Amino acid sequence: ELKVEQNPLFLSMQEGKNYTIYCNYSTTSDRLYWYRQDPGKSLESLFVLLSNGAVKQEGRLMASLDTKARLSTLHITAAVHDLSATYFCAVDPGSQGNLIFGKGTKLSVKP
Amino acid sequence: DAGVTQSPTHLIKTRGQHVTLRCSPISGHKSVSWYQQVLGQGPQFIFQYYEKEERGRGNFPDRFSARQFPNYSSELNVNALLLGDSALYLCASSLYLAGGGDTQYFGPGTRLTVL
Repeated sequence: ELKVEQNPLFLSMQEGKNYTIYCNYSTTSDRLYWYRQDPGKSLESLFVLLSNGAVKQEGRLMASLDTKARLSTLHITAAVHDLSATYFCAVDPGSQGNLIFGKGTKLSVKP
Repeated sequence: DAGVTQSPTHLIKTRGQHVTLRCSPISGHKSVSWYQQVLGQGPQFIFQYYEKEERGRGNFPDRFSARQFPNYSSELNVNALLLGDSALYLCASSLYLAGGGDTQYFGPGTRLTVL
């Protein structure tokens, strides 16, 4: 059974600190997606990683993909309160658009 | 440009009833996928349609069905509702079948409550 595991599931951090969210998956997938979800809202696309070694950055967030290790990371630099949300990673093992999501990491950034 | 739209926003049904949820994709997008998100969990894939044909189905019972219309909008139907069907139902659209790594853009969702 394909599994997508995120850790931590809950993360409370102070403003200005750095932290990394990890996403491990159990089958081959050349593409990995990161989404953000605010409470009661839908999913917002953050990054699409399409190849081994891919790295993308947007503001204080940077995502990377290691397909050999079946691992993606989402690194947060100098966190601010506005980054508080739940972050999901998802893989597309059949390259058919049937995304398999992790359980999400609920991030809370406190002053 | 308008994003993915879904209707209704909220819905309350009782066990055993039937429900139809609707989705309009981003203009020009031909692929629509449906996901179920139970509170506190990640979305779970239900169906994918491309060019009006079913191209993928997740591990959901036959009570769940869907279709895509010539204008690429889509409906998700759920029969004989159970309490466990209470969830946020998300529709996502993408330009193609996502084989090329197309991003799926999600709609605001329909919150279904089954009493």
